[in-house]
Amino acid sequence: DQQVKQNSPSLSVQEGRISILNCDYTNSMFDYFLWYKKYPAEGPTFLISISSIKDKNEDGRFTVFLNKSAKHLSLHIVPSQPGDSAVYFCAASVAGGTYKYIFGTGTRLKVLA
Amino acid sequence: DVKVTQSSRYLVKRTGEKVFLECVQDMDHENMFWYRQDPGLGLRLIYFSYDVKMKEKGDIPEGYSVSREKKERFSLILESASTNQTSMYLCASMKTGPYGYTFGSGTRLTVV
Repeated sequence: DQQVKQNSPSLSVQEGRISILNCDYTNSMFDYFLWYKKYPAEGPTFLISISSIKDKNEDGRFTVFLNKSAKHLSLHIVPSQPGDSAVYFCAASVAGGTYKYIFGTGTRLKVLA
Repeated sequence: DVKVTQSSRYLVKRTGEKVFLECVQDMDHENMFWYRQDPGLGLRLIYFSYDVKMKEKGDIPEGYSVSREKKERFSLILESASTNQTSMYLCASMKTGPYGYTFGSGTRLTVV
């Protein structure tokens, strides 16, 4: 049973526009969420996180929104750049536990120049 | 910056071989993890360790074992490699608390 779901396997966006990547989760105990970016043949790199006590976190061009009632989070990238083309994974964990993260299946973002 | 080093970027092994994947981190993190990444399946947790000599099974431990004799090193062992273990293997470490992982660069293992 997939506890963290990324229902869009791919997304194409024009350079300069907004990219919105979505993630849904089923376990209401999850209270810490991360986004990672992964280029081919490299390990994932941390992008941004959000705790369940917040509904928004910003870091430069990247903003993560959390809607706890809908069990949904989204990553907004504004403006999108060709270098943002990668696979994006969301991950969720229960704080206070072993902090092992459950990952979604990933969304491949392609930013078109 | 914390660094997680995986000993091999690419490996080709034969079916039935015993395979060792090594991972070393240099920031004294308590927690270390092994994931595999497959297309359409995302990252799936194989094993993790929260202390030296401690280990716990993840979601897909079958066919794998691990060893953590020193805090900085976490080894993944494929007891008898099979073709369905062809995958990208990712090691990660993390200090205890609400933090993210730092991943290594990955090992692309092909079993023929």
